[in-house]
Amino acid sequence: DADVTQTPRNRITKTGKRIMLECSQTKGHDRMYWYRQDPGLGLRLIYYSFDVKDINKGEISDGYSVSRQAQAKFSLSLESAIPNQTALYFCATSDFVGQPQHFGDGTRLSIL
Amino acid sequence: AQSVTQLDSQVPVFEEAPVELRCNYSSSVSVYLFWYVQYPNQGLQLLLKYLSGSTLVKGINGFEAEFNKSQTSFHLRKPSVHISDTAEYFCAVSDLKGNFNKFYFGSGTKLNVKP
Repeated sequence: DADVTQTPRNRITKTGKRIMLECSQTKGHDRMYWYRQDPGLGLRLIYYSFDVKDINKGEISDGYSVSRQAQAKFSLSLESAIPNQTALYFCATSDFVGQPQHFGDGTRLSIL
Repeated sequence: AQSVTQLDSQVPVFEEAPVELRCNYSSSVSVYLFWYVQYPNQGLQLLLKYLSGSTLVKGINGFEAEFNKSQTSFHLRKPSVHISDTAEYFCAVSDLKGNFNKFYFGSGTKLNVKP
């Protein structure tokens, strides 16, 4: 089983719909992150969390919200999806400072 | 905040040739450096990391990178590439913000290995 699991892997939806992307991990890491990837832009940070009581905005948080339900679960919501949120979304985890991130396989989201 | 620059968006190379993928970042103060690889329809996998010590770092699949503090660079190299190395490569920098690991990614370099 994957250490970082994202569901769904693919999603097509319409403008204005509410969407939730889920991430769960079995690595026991405290730190969790959500990124979006767009061609030629690399990965941009949406939100990050140290634990269930600590949620922080990243560089592109507008239009997104998150929930850290438990140490192992971190979900990303789009309250009212718009076409320019079409992208590949990644969840990642990390251990203490200086250690690398571990990524899920991504969710490909298309908003029509 | 850090900025990470990968100047080459695409690098075509023939099989068994050497390759260098370039990465520069904005500050040399207390950073950790990483290279990740992304194969189609997959997440990012760690290739190698520099935390401290020797400036030449060896990673998986025959890749290595050299940390150059004065030039704020962390270029990735492989002496002889294979078709299977075709993928997108990302350089990342993590700086020490309190107790949190915050990462900054370059825009990626697509390596296309031709037979």
